Amino acid sequence: QVQLVESGGGLVQPGRSLRLSCAASGFSFSSYGMHWVRQAPGKGLEWVAIISYDGSNKYYTDSVKGRFTISRDNSKNTLYMQMNSLRGEDTAVYYCARGNNSPGYWGQGTLVAVSS
Amino acid sequence: QSVLTQPPSASGTPGQRVTISCSGSSSNIGIKTVNWYQQLPGTAPKLLIYTTNQRPSGVPDRFSGSKSGTSASLAISGLQSEDEADYYCATWDDSLNAYVFGTGTKVTVI
Repeated sequence: QVQLVESGGGLVQPGRSLRLSCAASGFSFSSYGMHWVRQAPGKGLEWVAIISYDGSNKYYTDSVKGRFTISRDNSKNTLYMQMNSLRGEDTAVYYCARGNNSPGYWGQGTLVAVSS
Repeated sequence: QSVLTQPPSASGTPGQRVTISCSGSSSNIGIKTVNWYQQLPGTAPKLLIYTTNQRPSGVPDRFSGSKSGTSASLAISGLQSEDEADYYCATWDDSLNAYVFGTGTKVTVI
C-alpha cells in the first residue's frame, strides 16, 4: 500500500536550517510529482512546494521562495525539503503528498517548531 | 490570506444535507478543476473529491462536488456524526503559479 513517512522535524532556532525527508513506498515514486504542504498550529492548510516526477520543474509559494528548496532522489524513493533562514511563522506540521498536479495521498506529517 | 474563501463553519443534524461553498476567481476556479479535502480531528488531510466532482475509491457517494463560474461547492447528504471534520477546497492558481487551499470550513453535527 502507498506509504509516505516524513521525518526531520524538530525544534530549531530562528535563522537556522533544517532538512525534512519523506520516504515513499508502495508505488512507483519516480512516476509522480510530489508536494509539501504545511499547517500551522490551529490554522488551515498552506501549500508550500511541488516538484515534478523527474525533478525538472519546481514551484514554491511566495513566502518560502529563496529560503526553501524542494528536491528528490528517485533512486532512494525520497523527497526532501531544505529549509534555510527559518522564521517563527514557519512553525507548522509539514506534510508530504503524492500528486502530479494536486496533492492526493498524504503522509502523517512532521512538526517543525521555530523558536529561540 | 487565501485566495479561496469558504465559510468558517457549517452544521446540521444527522441525516440533513449540508453544503459548503468555495469562492475563487478567474485565475483559479474559473479555469481549473477543484479538489476537496477532509481533515478529521488530529489526522492528516484526505482527498475527498478530485477534478471537481469525482470521488476516490472508498469515499461514500454522500459526498458530491460541483462548480459554477468562479465558485465551487461540496455537498454532504445524509450527514453522519463521523463527518465532523474540517473541509478544504483547493485548486491551482495560474496567476500565482501555486496550488491554493481555501480557508477551511468546520462541519459540526448537532
